[in-house]
Amino acid sequence: GAGVSQSPRYKVAKRGQDVALRCDPISGHVSLFWYQQALGQGPEFLTYFQNEAQLDKSGLPSDRFFAERPEGSVSTLKIQRTQQEDSAVYLCASSLVRDGKYYGYTFGSGTRLTVV
Amino acid sequence: GNSVTQMEGPVTLSEEAFLTINCTYTATGYPSLFWYVQYPGEGLQLLLKATKADDKGSNKGFEATYRKETTSFHLEKGSVQVSDSAVYFCALKGASGSARQLTFGSGTQLTVLP
Repeated sequence: GAGVSQSPRYKVAKRGQDVALRCDPISGHVSLFWYQQALGQGPEFLTYFQNEAQLDKSGLPSDRFFAERPEGSVSTLKIQRTQQEDSAVYLCASSLVRDGKYYGYTFGSGTRLTVV
Repeated sequence: GNSVTQMEGPVTLSEEAFLTINCTYTATGYPSLFWYVQYPGEGLQLLLKATKADDKGSNKGFEATYRKETTSFHLEKGSVQVSDSAVYFCALKGASGSARQLTFGSGTQLTVLP
């Protein structure tokens, strides 16, 4: 597609519920990133994929967070047993890589997760 | 590790006023530096970037110069418009080969009044 698509746009979850957030990157973008943006803060890195390989998951805040990209395109960020502190906007970004160089990051509009 | 410190907001200006939003960074080597803008209800959009010392990024009347000696990348615009009201984020991408992700500052809310 023309841009990075994220769904749902909004999600309200009861504490303890599992959620799944979807990211559909720009076709041909091999790199995909997930970020967490708390209210009034800048985005913070969660995890990075190159094709289907998860090369860096150092930013995932706990083992309740899990991300996958099984076919190297669509990615899903799953949060198990959600807690109130998980309330944030979850941003996905994709990037074209050519000859090892990055040619810009395109961000989706995000999923706003509210845990009640 | 890498970090970005950004001028705290909110900033409120009258139309046609001069804008400066300060940004300083900590990183090893020569990172790439970015300014992103987030309009209400929209995703992050790249505003401008600079990839090496003394480079000046510019777009839509905004400018920022990569200053290695002061580790700064301040955003400026000579005459702001109401339509510039948004949140502005300074960010860096580390120089090392493994640093693929962006590190962001906390953002500065700009409101321009007519």
